Order: sequence, then structure tokens, then C-alpha cells
Amino acid sequence: NAGVTQTPKFHILKIGQSMTLQCTQDMNHNYMYWYRQDPGMGLKLIYYSVGAGITDKGEVPNGYNVSRSTTEDFPLRLELAAPSQTSVYFCASSYSNSYNSPLHFGNGTRLTVT
Amino acid sequence: DAKTTQPNSMESNEEEPVHLPCNHSTISGTDYIHWYRQLPSQGPEYVIHGLTSNVNNRMASLAIAEDRKSSTLILHRATLRDAAVYYCILRAVMNRDDKIIFGKGTRLHILP
Repeated sequence: NAGVTQTPKFHILKIGQSMTLQCTQDMNHNYMYWYRQDPGMGLKLIYYSVGAGITDKGEVPNGYNVSRSTTEDFPLRLELAAPSQTSVYFCASSYSNSYNSPLHFGNGTRLTVT
Repeated sequence: DAKTTQPNSMESNEEEPVHLPCNHSTISGTDYIHWYRQLPSQGPEYVIHGLTSNVNNRMASLAIAEDRKSSTLILHRATLRDAAVYYCILRAVMNRDDKIIFGKGTRLHILP
């Protein structure tokens, strides 16, 4: 299994542009999450999904959109990028919300908005 | 807001035990305590979890206070590779609203 795969690894975006961060997992996990991590800080939850067709807002959803049309994929869309969205973005998945179902994280996408 | 509080940073000598504390005074009866760690330039990885009893695995031990309002992650013999940010989080069992919130974690420095 490849686990959780995020693309691209790095990207530079101009202010006002849009882009989609890709996240896919091959573990048949129902639960998926997007976090952002600013330099020297902890992770902030952006959006999460408990299954295909279902998404919910996290702590910091403004400026982002998500969709979950399949179990495997959970893309994160940035519309009208702003410098405040410069961050490292992590996608994670979990088989269920049971206590013995840990989160599996991807290696992150480092995004710079200039 | 995160439901847990941890010291910002800690230091330990190599090959000595490390005790990383976490306070979670508002924990509910259905919350499990999970620990993750994040090595430099990587995504977080699962370390251990528990509910009431102390837990051991190949990576670490988890000691949970009797009132469950605090817990301690124990690395029995720290190595340089254990230098990371350690996160303590609470996860409710079988709650559809699986909004998993991370705090700032504890940055562990290992001195050779």
C-alpha cells in the first residue's frame, strides 16, 4: 500500500490564483482530513469527511473548499489564494472513528502564495 | 480550541527516559487519549493510545492518571531519532462528528 499520497509536494501560487491540492489513499479508509501547519505551529483542521459525499468544516475552513466524490480521493481547493494561506498542508485518513483506528498522514504539500 | 495542554518544549539526554506530560482536564468518559509525533519535514505518525489503563507498545508507554485528567507519554530510552514534536489529542469513540483537534504539541530536544 502506498498509504496517503499528496500532490504536489511543493507549489508557488500567485495571489488571486486558484489551485487544487490532491490527496488520495489506497487503504479503503472512510474518514479523511485536511490540516494546515504554519511555521513553528501545530496543525489546524480545515475540513474533514466521514465518507463519500459527506464533508464538514473544521477549525479554519474559510478560503477553502473540499469534495468527496469517492472513498479514495479528498481534494482541497483554494480559491483566490492569499498570502495567509502560505503553509504546509497535510492530508490524513482513518478507517473509522473508533479508538483503535489511528490517523495516517501524507507527507504534506508546501504551498507558498506570493 | 485544543482540549489538551502540553509544555512548549522539553530537553532530555540521549539514552535516558523521557516523560512528556499532557493535561486534559475536560476529558469526557468516551474520549480516548492519543499521542502522535511529527519528525522534521514529515507528517505526524501515530504513537500510542489509551482509555484508562496504562498502555505499552514497541514505541512508548502511556501512563494515564486515575482521574484521567492528565497523562504522560514515556520514552524509555531516548535516541536522537526521537527528537520531534509530540502531540496529545483526545478522540471521542464512535462519534460521527470526528473533529480531531491538535494543539501545539511539545517539541522534544535530545542532547547527545
